[in-house]
Amino acid sequence: AQSVSQHNHHVILSEAASLELGCNYSYGGTVNLFWYVQYPGQHLQLLLKYFSGDPLVKGIKGFEAEFIKSKFSFNLRKPSVQWSDTAEYFCAVTGLHYSGGGADGLTFGKGTHLIIQP
Amino acid sequence: NAGVTQTPKFQVLKTGQSMTLQCAQDMNHEYMSWYRQDPGMGLRLIHYSVGAGITDQGEVPNGYNVSRSTTEDFPLRLLSAAPSQTSVYFCASRKGQGWEQYFGPGTRLTVT
Repeated sequence: AQSVSQHNHHVILSEAASLELGCNYSYGGTVNLFWYVQYPGQHLQLLLKYFSGDPLVKGIKGFEAEFIKSKFSFNLRKPSVQWSDTAEYFCAVTGLHYSGGGADGLTFGKGTHLIIQP
Repeated sequence: NAGVTQTPKFQVLKTGQSMTLQCAQDMNHEYMSWYRQDPGMGLRLIHYSVGAGITDQGEVPNGYNVSRSTTEDFPLRLLSAAPSQTSVYFCASRKGQGWEQYFGPGTRLTVT
């Protein structure tokens, strides 16, 4: 079974600080990887995704993530955060083949709550 | 496209009542899923469907039923509401196994 681990449950940063949120997954095959963001009171929205090709992917709002296959990691980064980046961030992974067994094949981490102080 | 829509946005139920949370998508996605989100527990999968007529249980299926008679609709039924079902419910859909998930706006349910 696949699993996703997000190392930090809560992160507090000041505006203009650099951000890196960790995400590690366990899965034996080829994966597609995602980061989602959930602003307060809203639903999850896709921030960026990795399917194949360049392991450094750029998303919306200045976010980027790097897929390191050897480390099973897909860390999210932003060079300079803003107060409006305060949100919950979820890493997710899916294999390319549906396996059934009580899971829909898309696994989410528990989320990281990011607070940006002005 | 409207994307994934959910109704109602808010609902208050008394213990023992039943109700249906509606979910629809207009993107012709094969996969649809229902999650609940509780503080500190992330997203937990309740039920999902990989196509019309096919449903399966997720991580926390007890107390909920689903059906998928059309590609577009995936209602979630609470059979006899309990306070433990107080939560925010999200419906989601995606094109297929390896694709990104699109989420609805959510339903905030309170059971008293």
